[in-house]
Amino acid sequence: VQLVESGGALVKPGGSLRLSCEASGFNFNIYSMNWVRQAPGKGLEWIATIGYNSVHKYYADSVKGRFTVSRDNAVNSLFLEMNGLKADDTAMYFCTRDRPSYSLVAEFDSWGPGTLVTVSS
Amino acid sequence: ETVMTQSPATLSVSRGGTVTLSCRASQSVGTDLAWYQQKPGQAPRLLIYAASTRAAGIPARFTGSGSGTDFTLTISSLQSEDSAVYYCQHYNNWPPITFGPGTKLSIK
Repeated sequence: VQLVESGGALVKPGGSLRLSCEASGFNFNIYSMNWVRQAPGKGLEWIATIGYNSVHKYYADSVKGRFTVSRDNAVNSLFLEMNGLKADDTAMYFCTRDRPSYSLVAEFDSWGPGTLVTVSS
Repeated sequence: ETVMTQSPATLSVSRGGTVTLSCRASQSVGTDLAWYQQKPGQAPRLLIYAASTRAAGIPARFTGSGSGTDFTLTISSLQSEDSAVYYCQHYNNWPPITFGPGTKLSIK
């Protein structure tokens, strides 16, 4: 199992960014996927989950209405569209996989190395 | 929202010893509880899920227990490589999914 995030960058407050996570080594189509972030020197914060067939999507209140999670099973990729970025969104963003297939259990058994998003003027 | 707390915040234990980390939920989460290990500069790694089931490849030195609101992670035969921050996370009746603030473990 391999997850590799990309798209992190320095962006100004109010700006937008699109993160990607490329998955390999497993059948991406049957696993729910998630985004978890970690501000510098801080703990872990779950921010979004998408079911294996994109029917179910869930967000943390801190990003609801600003971030959109999506996936393209044809190319084994997970995305996070981020709009209205704030300084508080500065963090390492991790892509994670749910442990059981065909479920929304939120046991994060695989993690990518993360991609850094910095929001600053 | 279920708030997770962990204690202690930091601790230092001798190599070869045993340590028990605590995690408490503000309301019952049944056994919908996971533990993660995060070393500096690395992504977290799943250690335990369903409160007491070891994830694939996790040695038997790591033991999770508890249910409801009180959980523990016990690590025996401590090795220098166990130095890390340990997080608990609930996934009961979500969203939201929430993590505890972490316990930083140092091996002397």
